[in-house]
Amino acid sequence: DQQVKQNSPSLSVQEGRISILNCDYTNSMFDYFLWYKKYPAEGPTFLISISSIKDKNEDGRFTVFLNKSAKHLSLHIVPSQPGDSAVYFCAAKGSGGADGLTFGKGTHLIIQP
Amino acid sequence: EPEVTQTPSHQVTQMGQEVILRCVPISNHLYFYWYRQILGQKVEFLVSFYNNEISEKSEIFDDQFSVERPDGSNFTLKIRSTKLEDSAMYFCASSNAAGLLEDTQYFGPGTRLTVL
Repeated sequence: DQQVKQNSPSLSVQEGRISILNCDYTNSMFDYFLWYKKYPAEGPTFLISISSIKDKNEDGRFTVFLNKSAKHLSLHIVPSQPGDSAVYFCAAKGSGGADGLTFGKGTHLIIQP
Repeated sequence: EPEVTQTPSHQVTQMGQEVILRCVPISNHLYFYWYRQILGQKVEFLVSFYNNEISEKSEIFDDQFSVERPDGSNFTLKIRSTKLEDSAMYFCASSNAAGLLEDTQYFGPGTRLTVL
């Protein structure tokens, strides 16, 4: 039961170019979406989030876009830097304060010099 | 910058033994969570805890699992009788939701549990 899907297990991008990571969801009760970055043997690190009432949120090099009708969100990183190489997880939750996050399987982003 | 801490970083145990994983959430946070990630799989929600009681739990969180906030700072996950399939990374997280929609959960570095 994959309520949050990241269909690309890996993505390779040249340094300086734009990285676009995609995420689809099926549960229409999800109201809040987050992107986390994870290095091996570390916990997920919060990057950026968006609530369902918005369609875009920007923070420095990171922008998240939400298309609620298509149940699709994407993370744009521009320009991509070598330190961005990591696994990126899309996560979603409902409107309850104590709701757990539902994660996708992750996309391994590799930034090539 | 405040962060979630977890101990130990790695725990090895024999099948059938009890383990307690410890977490210190960010100090002004009100909601606490446990997640696990089996090797090669996605991060899965186990349980959330608020106001000294369980708020939500997944179907993974069966009677073998329990959580506790024994004092003002620690948050623990106990597995009563470990099984081989409990081998995973266990992540603690906390948030300061106060019931708001836009609450961000901050994760600790994880405890790698190996059941032999």
